[in-house]
Amino acid sequence: TQLLEQSPQFLSIQEGENLTVYCNSSSVFSSLQWYRQEPGEGPVLLVTVVTGGEVKKLKRLTFQFGDARKDSSLHITAAQPGDTGLYLCAGAAIGSQGNLIFGKGTKLSVKP
Amino acid sequence: GAVVSQHPSWVICKSGTSVKIECRSLDFQATTMFWYRQFPKQSLMLMATSNEGSKATYEQGVEKDKFLINHASLTLSTLTVTSAHPEDSSFYICSASDGTYEQYFGPGTRLTVT
Repeated sequence: TQLLEQSPQFLSIQEGENLTVYCNSSSVFSSLQWYRQEPGEGPVLLVTVVTGGEVKKLKRLTFQFGDARKDSSLHITAAQPGDTGLYLCAGAAIGSQGNLIFGKGTKLSVKP
Repeated sequence: GAVVSQHPSWVICKSGTSVKIECRSLDFQATTMFWYRQFPKQSLMLMATSNEGSKATYEQGVEKDKFLINHASLTLSTLTVTSAHPEDSSFYICSASDGTYEQYFGPGTRLTVT
């Protein structure tokens, strides 16, 4: 069974601080997605990374896919209260029919 | 683009009754739709995968006779919780894929069984 270990599980920081969330696996993924979910709503896709070593930036968010496509990170620069939410990584296993394996999520709280 | 809707957004039903939840892809054709369940403060748990016109594939431990899934068209899938019990109370989320590796999620349905 493929697993995606996400850490940290909880993160509480002050506005303006930087943070990094990690997703790690012993398995190779064909792609990896990052989602952000607000309470009572569905996850919203932030980014998809496909190529090993790929780096994508979305304003203050930087996403990286590991060279071996087994891990990924999300780095937020100068966090703001609006960044508060549940961040989920999800990987598509090679040969899967689109099924995603989700990490357990990182609950981020940014205090003003 | 890639908008997925769910209806209803919340529902309260009595124990023993059945509830149907609809999932629609509004601006693309969804060859595959997925149904997830999410408990408070936890990640998403995949319940089943459905392809248009085919029987759904259920994850281990998910009762297919209790959670009926129909994917009759490329834009609509339904999840029916039959003979609902309080332990079925949860947040149910669907997602849709157009055949690529990306899934687009609906806003979720909060089910409360009294």
